[in-house]
Amino acid sequence: DQQVKQNSPSLSVQEGRISILNCDYTNSMFDYFLWYKKYPAEGPTFLISISSIKDKNEDGRFTVFLNKSAKHLSLHIVPSQPGDSAVYFCAASSHSSNTGKLIFGQGTTLQVKP
Amino acid sequence: NAGVMQNPRHLVRRRGQEARLRCSPMKGHSHVYWYRQLPEEGLKFMVYLQKENIIDESGMPKERFSAEFPKEGPSILRIQQVVRGDSAAYFCASSPPGVSTQPQHFGDGTRLSIL
Repeated sequence: DQQVKQNSPSLSVQEGRISILNCDYTNSMFDYFLWYKKYPAEGPTFLISISSIKDKNEDGRFTVFLNKSAKHLSLHIVPSQPGDSAVYFCAASSHSSNTGKLIFGQGTTLQVKP
Repeated sequence: NAGVMQNPRHLVRRRGQEARLRCSPMKGHSHVYWYRQLPEEGLKFMVYLQKENIIDESGMPKERFSAEFPKEGPSILRIQQVVRGDSAAYFCASSPPGVSTQPQHFGDGTRLSIL
């Protein structure tokens, strides 16, 4: 029962262009969404989050968009840099669960070519 | 200003042995989460603890796995009588008390290999 899905296992973009990573969820109780970036042999690093009361949150080169009716969120990275090459995970949680546990997607490997 | 500290980074055990994984949360954080990542998969929630309390263990296998977060010292994830299928990366995360919209911060994980 995969409640959070990242359907693209990999994405390759040219340096300077936009990277768009997508994520779909099925549980309508999810109300907090996060993106994490992970390098090999390291733990996930928090990038950006969004609450369900918003539809957009921006932090520097990173913007997360949330479409609640479609149960879809996306992460935009502009401009993409070679150092952005990593695995990106989206994650979701529900305040009503009272635990804060995160449900992760399978990840998308982003490669930014110089 | 240390982050979440996990040790050991790598652990090798033979089938039937016990594995103990340790996690020290970030300073000021009293919530600890354990996740497991199998190869080519995302992270899967295992257990959520606060000091001296297990709050949610819905993701923990019913047998052989246990977790604790004592009043003093790190959180421990214990796996008894390990099997090959326990080989994975185990990540610990922590968050501050009381605010569920604060992101969890992760350690670099323990890579457990079962021979």
